[in-house]
Amino acid sequence: EAQVTQNPRYLITVTGKKLTVTCSQNMNHEYMSWYRQDPGLGLRQIYYSMNVEVTDKGDVPEGYKVSRKEKRNFPLILESPSPNQTSLYFCASSPRDRVSGANVLTFGAGSRLTVL
Amino acid sequence: RKEVEQDPGPFNVPEGATVAFNCTYSNSASQSFFWYRQDCRKEPKLLMSVYSSGNEDGRFTAQLNRASQYISLLIRDSKLSDSATYLCVVNMLSSSASKIIFGSGTRLSIRP
Repeated sequence: EAQVTQNPRYLITVTGKKLTVTCSQNMNHEYMSWYRQDPGLGLRQIYYSMNVEVTDKGDVPEGYKVSRKEKRNFPLILESPSPNQTSLYFCASSPRDRVSGANVLTFGAGSRLTVL
Repeated sequence: RKEVEQDPGPFNVPEGATVAFNCTYSNSASQSFFWYRQDCRKEPKLLMSVYSSGNEDGRFTAQLNRASQYISLLIRDSKLSDSATYLCVVNMLSSSASKIIFGSGTRLSIRP
């Protein structure tokens, strides 16, 4: 089944304890992206990757790192989590439409992170 | 001003009603437009792309007005299962970058 898989789905951690949220897709998509969703603010892009070894900042990259060593994986790293990073996180991937260039996103099921 | 703005709702309408949402975007360089649907505590899923000429998918009709920089979604004969949050999405593209911006969403609740 074509899908985007995120882990963990739920995590409660403490301030400063490094954590990684994994994201994997099996659709051979070039484009991958991370979002956080907060009440009243909608989905905000953290980082994205147009292809392997290419990553770019989104709108809210502070406090996060990513890597894209392989096409299928795009982990999100919080080196020193803080309470303001408590949020619902979504990973998404998309093929690159060669005609329009548009990205139609397939999302993972989400990871709910609480930082105490 | 937000780059993509939507009326947050909630819209509370009876089953069978027609309901319309609008979404405005601020950047005229925006090139691709979409409506996504998000059920409570679930991931967003693509509802439909929005084309310049307007497009229809069953009970759903999407329109784009580039001059006024807004897109719309019309739902006819609404069903209970249409209750969800509808997200307007704008994609700005260049040869080296892709910026995808989501609106905050419009909540729709269909009552029996």
